[in-house]
Amino acid sequence: GAVVSQHPSRVICKSGTSVKIECRSLDFQATTMFWYRQFPKQSLMLMATSNEGSKATYEQGVEKDKFLINHASLTLSTLTVTSAHPEDSSFYICSARDATGRIDEQYFGPGTRLTVT
Amino acid sequence: QQQVKQSPQSLIVQKGGISIINCAYENTAFDYFPWYQQFPGKGPALLIAIRPDVSEKKEGRFTISFNKSAKQFSLHIMDSQPGDSATYFCAARQYNFNKFYFGSGTKLNVKP
Repeated sequence: GAVVSQHPSRVICKSGTSVKIECRSLDFQATTMFWYRQFPKQSLMLMATSNEGSKATYEQGVEKDKFLINHASLTLSTLTVTSAHPEDSSFYICSARDATGRIDEQYFGPGTRLTVT
Repeated sequence: QQQVKQSPQSLIVQKGGISIINCAYENTAFDYFPWYQQFPGKGPALLIAIRPDVSEKKEGRFTISFNKSAKQFSLHIMDSQPGDSATYFCAARQYNFNKFYFGSGTKLNVKP
């Protein structure tokens, strides 16, 4: 149980285009999903927290107009990187928390490798 | 400011040995402390977790030791195996903010 999927697993896009990454909780409902960014050999950096049906809460220094987050249902959150540039190339990982609130843990997706050329 | 400090940055252990990774925190509002294992190109996976009302938790070869007064916790991997070679992250959750703070990671290499 507690499986989180991400799609796509890898994406290459040209500078100036937009890319959408999907995060789905497959066997549980998630009121809260988190989006992280990870640079090579570094830790996870929380970008934003998304709650189903409401606006995402962005961490300080994260451009909300550049990284659009939508959490339209209890099983799906999307991250859109708008007008991507090479410096946006990174490993993006989502995680989800069980909607029941009884479970402490967050469950991670497998990550999406974004390369902007 | 790093909310959770992790050491060492890298660790080499012989097969069968004990791997020990340490973390420290300052925020007494943290109420849940998980450890994650991450392989290259994959998302982190929960290994083991502990709450501050318990001093030790063991699951198979993995043990968390928790020292509330010192605000430190550590992961012990007994009988380390080459398959344990991965990057390990400690984390701490602040419940009322619904956020997890991660340590900087430890790259473990278990030599056969």
